[in-house]
Amino acid sequence: DGGITQSPKYLFRKEGQNVTLSCEQNLNHDAMYWYRQDPGQGLRLIYYSQIVNDFQKGDIAEGYSVSREKKESFPLTVTSAQKNPTAFYLCASSIEGGSGANVLTFGAGSRLTVL
Amino acid sequence: KQEVTQIPAALSVPEGENLVLNCSFTDSAIYNLQWFRQDPGKGLTSLLLIQSSQREQTSGRLNASLDKSSGRSTLYIAASQPGDSATYLCAVFDYKLSFGAGTTVTVRA
Repeated sequence: DGGITQSPKYLFRKEGQNVTLSCEQNLNHDAMYWYRQDPGQGLRLIYYSQIVNDFQKGDIAEGYSVSREKKESFPLTVTSAQKNPTAFYLCASSIEGGSGANVLTFGAGSRLTVL
Repeated sequence: KQEVTQIPAALSVPEGENLVLNCSFTDSAIYNLQWFRQDPGKGLTSLLLIQSSQREQTSGRLNASLDKSSGRSTLYIAASQPGDSATYLCAVFDYKLSFGAGTTVTVRA
């Protein structure tokens, strides 16, 4: 079955550590996205990529980094510069980016907790 | 900046009652609006997408309307069931997707 796989589902990080969240899709989608979800708030866009080897900052990119070396993969690194990283992280993809006419497919999410 | 609001934040109804969920947005220059469902600790599942030229979309017991000029959308769920318990989020697309915080629905058996 086609879909998006996020790993790990739960992750604990000590202050000052970088961590990487994995996102893999087998839907042959061009566009991929990372969102952050906090209680009582809407999803906020961290980074997005419309094509391999290209990505753009979203609304809250500070303290995060991404890469898009393969169409199927869009890993997110939460760096020590992110001051409040505890949140639920969601990866999504769509057939193409930009038009908004395409339905987004979401992964199951990764919950990051800073100890 | 687009602001998306969903009121109320939480809703509890007895089984069988019709659900009415509201979404409002501040900038009416949108391309489309989507409704999503999110189960606790899970990702989002797309329910309906309404293009800006459309007034409504239907899928089974779900019906979503869009009034772009007034900046409002309503999601109707007919004859609610306990399995409808979840958080429902709306998102509007102008040049990017902007999400509301969601309405958490509990359907009591």
